Amino acid sequence: DTGVSQNPRHKITKRGQNVTFRCDPISEHNRLYWYRQTLGQGPEFLTYFQNEAQLEKSRLLSDRFSAERPKGSFSTLEIQRTEQGDSAMYLCASSLDDTSNSPLHFGNGTRLTVT
Amino acid sequence: RKEVEQDPGPFNVPEGATVAFNCTYSNSASQSFFWYRQDCRKEPKLLMSVYSSGNEDGRFTAQLNRASQYISLLIRDSKLSDSATYLCVVRGRNAGKSTFGDGTTLTVKP
Repeated sequence: DTGVSQNPRHKITKRGQNVTFRCDPISEHNRLYWYRQTLGQGPEFLTYFQNEAQLEKSRLLSDRFSAERPKGSFSTLEIQRTEQGDSAMYLCASSLDDTSNSPLHFGNGTRLTVT
Repeated sequence: RKEVEQDPGPFNVPEGATVAFNCTYSNSASQSFFWYRQDCRKEPKLLMSVYSSGNEDGRFTAQLNRASQYISLLIRDSKLSDSATYLCVVRGRNAGKSTFGDGTTLTVKP
């Protein structure tokens, strides 16, 4: 399967701990996006990369959140000092290029529960 | 006010019905538009892109009205398998950030 892959699928952590998620995009896609989704809401934009360059970060993204895509392939999203409000589904998506009509392809997501 | 607004529903319709969803967006510079479908506890999946002239894919028709800044999705001859949440998506220039609505929930009943 050459779709977007995310792991872990589920993560339960205690408040104050750090967590890291990984996303492997579709191999020829040079755009990679991170979103967060809570129940009853649409996906909320966090950040995106063009190859290894992080081009935009949401103002909603606190300094506890950091994302990297060091070699322009897989990406990691780290949340430091987790809070209960961080509990959500974290979705990664990739798109082929920078043309506006290139749609997003999502992975299965990582469900984070902070206790 | 949210950048992309949708009627959350739920829409409960019988099989075979025609149902329409609307979506409005606030950024007049938006360049491209999509409808995604999301099943319960699954990731969103692309249903169709929305083109200025309107486009059709089988039982699904999408329309864009740039002047009024709204997008619509029409589903004809609803099937049980159409039950899902439909997300309206608006994107800016150069394939940057895509903004999602909160979705409209559709339940098709026998």
